[in-house]
Amino acid sequence: EAGVAQSPRYKIIEKRQSVAFWCNPISGHATLYWYQQILGQGPKLLIQFQNNGVVDDSQLPKDRFSAERLKGVDSTLKIQPAKLEDSAVYLCASSPWVGGVNEQYFGPGTRLTVT
Amino acid sequence: RKEVEQDPGPFNVPEGATVAFNCTYSNSASQSFFWYRQDCRKEPKLLMSVYSSGNEDGRFTAQLNRASQYISLLIRDSKLSDSATYLCAVNKGANNLFFGTGTRLTVIP
Repeated sequence: EAGVAQSPRYKIIEKRQSVAFWCNPISGHATLYWYQQILGQGPKLLIQFQNNGVVDDSQLPKDRFSAERLKGVDSTLKIQPAKLEDSAVYLCASSPWVGGVNEQYFGPGTRLTVT
Repeated sequence: RKEVEQDPGPFNVPEGATVAFNCTYSNSASQSFFWYRQDCRKEPKLLMSVYSSGNEDGRFTAQLNRASQYISLLIRDSKLSDSATYLCAVNKGANNLFFGTGTRLTVIP
């Protein structure tokens, strides 16, 4: 079974530029998550989708971050404009939805450096 | 108080040693608990779920103590390949997780 796919794997941009990350979850997984992991910290949830609807975006800095999952499969996370403190690994995870809490499976992440 | 707290370590142990990590959580209504392993510059990988009755997978044992609101991970007969960061995760609402900062383990030859 193919895992969670993410691209690009690495990205370097200057502050105030924009950037977009792509994620394709495990086939059949209804729930998709975007996390931000800063060096030395655990993953922090940015947004959770259930199919193509947003379940939780309470920690998404909406003035600069946006995300969509239009057809309920793959998803895009965008940052515009980027700040230095956005340097982190952006992890996408997916989970099957059969009610209750399910295990989450992570993609390899996109390592973003903002200079 | 943070939702989930872990001792960041590092824990440096010799091969063959037994090592245990604890993770405390603040929400008494939490229902689901997990341990993830994260290698350097890699994504977290699910190590094991933590059930109320505790569970064991080879050299790894996970326990839940609801009264004191913590989960633990015990690794017996440590191998060099066990060197990694171990993240605990606790559910927040439905199908949503809070992660700890991770505990770094280094197994020394």
